[in-house]
Amino acid sequence: NAGVMQNPRHLVRRRGQEARLRCSPMKGHSHVYWYRQLPEEGLKFMVYLQKENIIDESGMPKERFSAEFPKEGPSILRIQQVVRGDSAAYFCASSPPTTGETQYFGPGTRLLVL
Amino acid sequence: AQSVTQLDSHVSVSEGTPVLLRCNYSSSYSPSLFWYVQHPNKGLQLLLKYTSAATLVKGINGFEAEFKKSETSFHLTKPSAHMSDAAEYFCVVSLGGSQGNLIFGKGTKLSVKP
Repeated sequence: NAGVMQNPRHLVRRRGQEARLRCSPMKGHSHVYWYRQLPEEGLKFMVYLQKENIIDESGMPKERFSAEFPKEGPSILRIQQVVRGDSAAYFCASSPPTTGETQYFGPGTRLLVL
Repeated sequence: AQSVTQLDSHVSVSEGTPVLLRCNYSSSYSPSLFWYVQHPNKGLQLLLKYTSAATLVKGINGFEAEFKKSETSFHLTKPSAHMSDAAEYFCVVSLGGSQGNLIFGKGTKLSVKP
């Protein structure tokens, strides 16, 4: 059973460009979570999605950030018009359909904005 | 509101000596608690999980943690440190229920000296 997969592992963007981060959950998992880790800090929750639904986006910045988890295909975290402060590691986690289950993390995407 | 406090940002031990990483939590109800480990430039790996079945939880790689409700603590221990244990460790509380997100502590960086 493959783990949570994220791509790309590293992404470099210039200010004003768009960043698209992809996450494929573990097989059988229908819940996806995105977290952001700034340097020297712990992970901060961004958004919780189930297939075709956003369940909780209380951690998402109000502008420029969006997330989706379509019926087919990976979950996408999209950052429009990136700024230097968006440079961070973005981690995706997935869990089985039963709420409250353990979350399994992917290797992360490290975004660098020049 | 749920929160997690990791009392030490950095712990240094000698190889073969015990490890103690401290964590206190705040929760308005019986929480699920986790310890995750992150090796440099890697994703997070689940070490162990507490969900009220037993107060002493055994994890991978010889780690264990004890849930103490009276002290609101969930400290991580290992009898004998190995060089490969050098990493960052995160204590995490789960909101559970319909709120799927995890609350992370700021992390404790463990160094192991030969």
